[in-house]
Amino acid sequence: LAKTTQPISMDSYEGQEVNITCSHNNIATNDYITWYQQFPSQGPRFIIQGYKTKVTNEVASLFIPADRKSSTLSLPRVSLSDTAVYYCLVGGTGTASKLTFGTGTRLQVTL
Amino acid sequence: DAGITQSPRHKVTETGTPVTLRCHQTENHRYMYWYRQDPGHGLRLIHYSYGVKDTDKGEVSDGYSVSRSKTEDFLLTLESATSSQTSVYFCAISIPTGTTGELFFGEGSRLTVL
Repeated sequence: LAKTTQPISMDSYEGQEVNITCSHNNIATNDYITWYQQFPSQGPRFIIQGYKTKVTNEVASLFIPADRKSSTLSLPRVSLSDTAVYYCLVGGTGTASKLTFGTGTRLQVTL
Repeated sequence: DAGITQSPRHKVTETGTPVTLRCHQTENHRYMYWYRQDPGHGLRLIHYSYGVKDTDKGEVSDGYSVSRSKTEDFLLTLESATSSQTSVYFCAISIPTGTTGELFFGEGSRLTVL
């Protein structure tokens, strides 16, 4: 199982770019890296997914170095509504794999 | 909305009683998961299923059993509930997207064991 390590918490001001890094040293060849966002009293929801290099969508970017032992979620110009817990998940979703979440990173955005 | 419903959404029970939580999906996806979430622990995998009658243990499976007799339903049972099982339980399904998939979660079931 690919264990992930993330910072417990981060603080940011509104309008700044936030980068959250996840370490996953024992990632397997067929594992993808997926980031989820969770608000209080809700289930996590998908943000972005990648295998290598860089992926960008309308809400975030995901940077994955060549060795794939870490990944960085980048949130451009955060707002108060981005205050949430962010989870990095490593695994082969869509397969019979144990998709194990880490403890997540609690992002607090203030004015 | 991935067509996932969990029931009950809230339940209070007493120590030693059996409890069954139900996860229902409307789209016949193959992979389903049960997680529990406690403050300071994030999401922890209890059991998962990769098809009818095909299930496997996650990282915190002790005290829990599951059943999947049909594709759309994944049941989580606490045979004899304990106070340590007070938690929020989330069901998730994996929906294929290209070569992999993404998880969609239900709204959660809050269980309190007195």
